[in-house]
Amino acid sequence: SQQGEEDPQALSIQEGENATMNCSYKTSINNLQWYRQNSGRGLVHLILIRSNEREKHSGRLRVTLDTSKKSSSLLITASRAADTASYFCATRDDYKLSFGAGTTVTVRA
Amino acid sequence: DTEVTQTPKHLVMGMTNKKSLKCEQHMGHRAMYWYKQKAKKPPELMFVYSYEKLSINESVPSRFSPECPNSSLLNLHLHALQPEDSALYLCASSQGGDIQGAFFGQGTRLTVV
Repeated sequence: SQQGEEDPQALSIQEGENATMNCSYKTSINNLQWYRQNSGRGLVHLILIRSNEREKHSGRLRVTLDTSKKSSSLLITASRAADTASYFCATRDDYKLSFGAGTTVTVRA
Repeated sequence: DTEVTQTPKHLVMGMTNKKSLKCEQHMGHRAMYWYKQKAKKPPELMFVYSYEKLSINESVPSRFSPECPNSSLLNLHLHALQPEDSALYLCASSQGGDIQGAFFGQGTRLTVV
């Protein structure tokens, strides 16, 4: 069950640049999470932001959450070639974890 | 041990076969999940077990049958699948609450012929 849209669908940037992607969701949430998936492999949890938080940082990652607009953004600063992957937001409502459509990020060396 | 282990990594099965996918975690997580992922699509939730009981079934066809024998193990039994069921099947586990996200296995790449 796809929760919502992610924007853009694909992003190509130069190494060292910042990458920003957005996620919109439809229903009420307990928290919103971001995951990374390298080609055809399992997902890796990056960061979790609770519904009562507005911004969170972890290393080169910055996440914002606007519950009034039902939207979130993920910023990756100083991107590296190793950041090339698909990024998914996921919303959690009780035990249900539902994923957005994803953004494919390509970092060019 | 912060791993979710899925076996097998790859599986090819005929439409009349019966097979099982297995998932194991030893993190004491109380929720376990099965997802199906088609190429270039997001993971699609199939089932959620919490405290070893099936809590969510996202209207999955009965040819997919989940089982949670204990708090560490999750199985997905497959029977009479169709070629369109070919996909990456992902298992995940989580503690629940707002503390941490879910841990995913590497998936089973299933091909139905």
